[in-house]
Amino acid sequence: GQNIDQPTEMTATEGAIVQINCTYQTSGFNGLFWYQQHAGEAPTFLSYNVLDGLEEKGRFSSFLSRSKGYSYLLLKELQMKDSASYLCAVLNSNYQLIWGAGTKLIIKP
Amino acid sequence: ETGVTQTPRHLVMGMTNKKSLKCEQHLGHNAMYWYKQSAKKPLELMFVYSLEERVENNSVPSRFSPECPNSSHLFLHLHTLQPEDSALYLCASSQDPGTGGNEQYFGPGTRLTVT
Repeated sequence: GQNIDQPTEMTATEGAIVQINCTYQTSGFNGLFWYQQHAGEAPTFLSYNVLDGLEEKGRFSSFLSRSKGYSYLLLKELQMKDSASYLCAVLNSNYQLIWGAGTKLIIKP
Repeated sequence: ETGVTQTPRHLVMGMTNKKSLKCEQHLGHNAMYWYKQSAKKPLELMFVYSLEERVENNSVPSRFSPECPNSSHLFLHLHTLQPEDSALYLCASSQDPGTGGNEQYFGPGTRLTVT
């Protein structure tokens, strides 16, 4: 079967750095997405990786290793507004998006 | 009007009721999606429409019936639902479902409660 694994919940301190991991097993690979979802709101797109390496976008960076079936989302200089769920999703060989259950990130002052 | 809109935002219905969820996208996209989101579970893809034709139906019960009259509008018709159908129903759109890198834009969702 196809599955995406990510931690259920993480806690971090305002101003710190946090890394959210995602491992995947899918039938083929056409890219990996990260989305942010605040409670009661729609998911919003954060990043897309299709090649190995690190993509940086402001305070957020996303890393991909296709050989290891692994990605992480790195959040720097954490702010209270970063408290949200972070969803990892992989586009498989049939261009179907396979979603993880999401990681709830709690930021403490 | 921006992005993807959904109505209603909240819906409570009995098991014998018939209701419809509406989604509209203002992004000029070619593909639209219905997802079900339950607590602590991955997003479940229900239906995909590309250029108004249904291209995917992930074995969704027949009590859910989609309709896509044009590339900007998507409906989900509901009838004789079960309490386990209570969830957040999200609509999304993207430029093209058949290529990589086309992120999906989500609406705010309809919180459905079946009593």
